[in-house]
Amino acid sequence: EAGVAQSPRYKIIEKRQSVAFWCNPISGHATLYWYQQILGQGPKLLIQFQNNGVVDDSQLPKDRFSAERLKGVDSTLKIQPAKLEDSAVYLCASSRTGANIYNEQFFGPGTRLTVL
Amino acid sequence: AQSVSQHNHHVILSEAASLELGCNYSYGGTVNLFWYVQYPGQHLQLLLKYFSGDPLVKGIKGFEAEFIKSKFSFNLRKPSVQWSDTAEYFCAVRDYNTDKLIFGTGTRLQVFP
Repeated sequence: EAGVAQSPRYKIIEKRQSVAFWCNPISGHATLYWYQQILGQGPKLLIQFQNNGVVDDSQLPKDRFSAERLKGVDSTLKIQPAKLEDSAVYLCASSRTGANIYNEQFFGPGTRLTVL
Repeated sequence: AQSVSQHNHHVILSEAASLELGCNYSYGGTVNLFWYVQYPGQHLQLLLKYFSGDPLVKGIKGFEAEFIKSKFSFNLRKPSVQWSDTAEYFCAVRDYNTDKLIFGTGTRLQVFP
C-alpha cells in the first residue's frame, strides 16, 4: 500500500511570497489532516477534512492560510503571504475515517518550509 | 484543553542501556494514547497505542508503554536500546472533546555504539 505523498519536500521563499503544498493521501482514506511542526515542537493540527468537507479549521490562520480538498482526494495548503514564523515542516496525514476511534493516522514525509 | 508534556527533551544513551521516556497528559476522562517515532529523514510512524484494557502496551521493535491513569502518564520503555533507535519520539493523546490528536514537544534520543 502506497503511503501519503507530499510535495515539494523542501521550499525556500522570501517573506510576503506565496507558497503551496500538495498532499495525496492513502487510497480510500476519507479523512485528511494538515499539521504544522515548528522546530522543537510537536505537530499541531491546522485543518481536518472529511472527504471534501472541512471538519475542523479552528487552528488555521485564515488571514493567510487556506486549504482545499477538491473531489475528496488530493489536498493543497497555501500560505499567502508568508511570514518568517511560518518556517516549519508541514505534515499531511490521512486515516480511513475520523468517526472510528481505532483509525490510525498515517503521516507523509512533510514539506520543510524556510521563509527568509 | 488537553495538553501533553514530555519531560526529556534530549536523551543520550549507550547501546544496551535501558530507556524510559516520560509522558504526561493534562486531564482525565477517556483518552487514547500514542507514541510516534520519527527516524532521521523519515516520516512519523506509530510505535504503539493504548485504547483500553491491559495498561501495559507492547509496540514494535521491543518498545512498550504503561498507562497509569492515576498519574496521567504513559511512559515509553525499552530494556536495551540499539543504535538504530536513534530518533525523535512523540507522545500524543486523542482529545475526546475535540477529537484532535495533541502531540507533546518530542524527545530526541541519541544512542551511541
